Amino acid sequence: QKEVEQDPGPLSVPEGAIVSLNCTYSNSAFQYFMWYRQYSRKGPELLMYTYSSGNKEDGRFTAQVDKSSKYISLFIRDSQPSDSATYLCAMSAITNAGKSTFGDGTTLTVKP
Amino acid sequence: GAVVSQHPSWVICKSGTSVKIECRSLDFQATTMFWYRQFPKQSLMLMATSNEGSKATYEQGVEKDKFLINHASLTLSTLTVTSAHPEDSSFYICSALDTDSLQFFGPGTRLTVL
Repeated sequence: QKEVEQDPGPLSVPEGAIVSLNCTYSNSAFQYFMWYRQYSRKGPELLMYTYSSGNKEDGRFTAQVDKSSKYISLFIRDSQPSDSATYLCAMSAITNAGKSTFGDGTTLTVKP
Repeated sequence: GAVVSQHPSWVICKSGTSVKIECRSLDFQATTMFWYRQFPKQSLMLMATSNEGSKATYEQGVEKDKFLINHASLTLSTLTVTSAHPEDSSFYICSALDTDSLQFFGPGTRLTVL
């Protein structure tokens, strides 16, 4: 069983929809939680990160971490065609020298 | 956010030749950098962890003699694919760790071996 499981998708939504992207994990040592966005043929771009349970908001994006359930989510409000990309969740433990464990990614398409 | 560059962005080479890919952290120093490989429509596969001034740590199954990594300074790590073959064709991406332990990725290098 993988340490990080990500909802596989793909997801296709109309413009303006609210998108929910989710990951679960099994390693209770994970303390850092990140979301990356990767456009086709590009390197991943760090979108959001949190160090603890709770919510963090940045514009149209909200990252949510529930450490008791080992579950993280990324919500995108008012989705735009430019949000079409693959989203990767990533997690790391303070003892692991920054090495992150990545989900397999969810590909999102936002249709105009 | 922090900026990481890679060079070249794409390279085509003949089978049997060696190819060097550079990864630079442009506005921060990175003691640790990572090298990944990614096949189409697949997730990132960690190849090795590169630490400045010491030998790289390779993931299981990655040939260290084929994928040579050098991290000579706090802003530069290089990956050399030696005696490249068509099966080495892939998208290679590096990342650099900042002081907050966040990974910032380069734009990737597409390698095609003929």
